[in-house]
Amino acid sequence: AQSVTQLDSQVPVFEEAPVELRCNYSSSVSVYLFWYVQYPNQGLQLLLKYLSGSTLVKGINGFEAEFNKSQTSFHLRKPSVHISDTAEYFCAVRDYSSASKIIFGSGTRLSIRP
Amino acid sequence: DGGITQSPKYLFRKEGQNVTLSCEQNLNHDAMYWYRQDPGQGLRLIYYSQIVNDFQKGDIAEGYSVSREKKESFPLTVTSAQKNPTAFYLCASLPGQGKGANVLTFGAGSRLTVL
Repeated sequence: AQSVTQLDSQVPVFEEAPVELRCNYSSSVSVYLFWYVQYPNQGLQLLLKYLSGSTLVKGINGFEAEFNKSQTSFHLRKPSVHISDTAEYFCAVRDYSSASKIIFGSGTRLSIRP
Repeated sequence: DGGITQSPKYLFRKEGQNVTLSCEQNLNHDAMYWYRQDPGQGLRLIYYSQIVNDFQKGDIAEGYSVSREKKESFPLTVTSAQKNPTAFYLCASLPGQGKGANVLTFGAGSRLTVL
């Protein structure tokens, strides 16, 4: 069965600084990987996804993530954050064999300091 | 505009009462999901359904029940057997094929508080 680990529950950074949110997964088969963002009291929206092809994927709002199969990681990065990036970020995995089952990590709360 | 509607947005219930959360989608998506969100625990899968009249247990199905009588609707009942039902509940859907086939669309959520 697949699982997702987000090691950092909270990440505080200063505005305009770079940030990396870590995500590791475990699965016995090939996977699809996702990052979602949740603003306060809202549902989740997709930031970016890795399905196949290039291991570096770019998403909305200047975010990008790199799929590393050997390290089973899919870390999210942004070179310069803004106050508006304050939100909770979730990594998710769907493996090829489990049909529609999609599992989420525990989330990382990103707080931006001016 | 297409989307997912969850109702009610806020719900207060006494301990021991069953409650049903509504989830309706007009996206013509095949699969639908219920997740529970608690602080520090992320989203945990309760139930999911790939087609009408069929559904599977997720990781925390105990104390919950669902039905999928129509493609557009996937209501969740939180029963009195659920030991700690106070949480934020999110419904989502997934198209069966096409460009967005792997991308979940979420509703705005329902916050259940058991007094």
